[in-house]
Amino acid sequence: AQSVAQPEDQVNVAEGNPLTVKCTYSVSGNPYLFWYVQYPNRGLQFLLKYITGDNLVKGSYGFEAEFNKSQTSFHLKKPSALVSDSALYFCASNDYKLSFGAGTTVTVRA
Amino acid sequence: GAVVSQHPSRVICKSGTSVKIECRSLDFQATTMFWYRQFPKKSLMLMATSNEGSKATYEQGVEKDKFLINHASLTLSTLTVTSAHPEDSSFYICSARDLSGSLYNEQFFGPGTRLTVL
Repeated sequence: AQSVAQPEDQVNVAEGNPLTVKCTYSVSGNPYLFWYVQYPNRGLQFLLKYITGDNLVKGSYGFEAEFNKSQTSFHLKKPSALVSDSALYFCASNDYKLSFGAGTTVTVRA
Repeated sequence: GAVVSQHPSRVICKSGTSVKIECRSLDFQATTMFWYRQFPKKSLMLMATSNEGSKATYEQGVEKDKFLINHASLTLSTLTVTSAHPEDSSFYICSARDLSGSLYNEQFFGPGTRLTVL
């Protein structure tokens, strides 16, 4: 079985600063990991995924994530946050069904 | 990219009535669709997995007679909330998996349906 955890309910950063949203995983085999973003009253938008290969995965809107096997982490990062990045972010693992983390609310202040 | 639509986007109904929510994959065929429920600022809770032409598989604790799921074609799944009550008020989101997808292909999510039961 696969599961993910997002240890932070909220992340607050100033516009222009680096943004990191944390995710750790627990899997019994090869991890299939995803990041999604949700804006208010909207569905989920796919940001990026890790299946295999390079540990650094680049995704949409300037986001990237680093798969770290030794730390069982898959943190989402953006070098310079924008106010428009303020949203709810979900990490997920895929074992036929997606298992979502609890979500992290990101607030980027101007 | 793959697009999934949901209809309606918002619905308000009286307690005791039934509400049907449609989920359509617009530009791909989906053998599997998933229905989620989300409470405010909370994570998504998987309710059921819907496979085309077969009965849906419900997660533990989800009443199958309360939440009727039909997946009659490769592009359409419906969720019917029967005899709705105020506690059924929530944000319902569907997702679809591409026909050619293997285990790790991402699910494509609909925009969600806000159900309010008065």
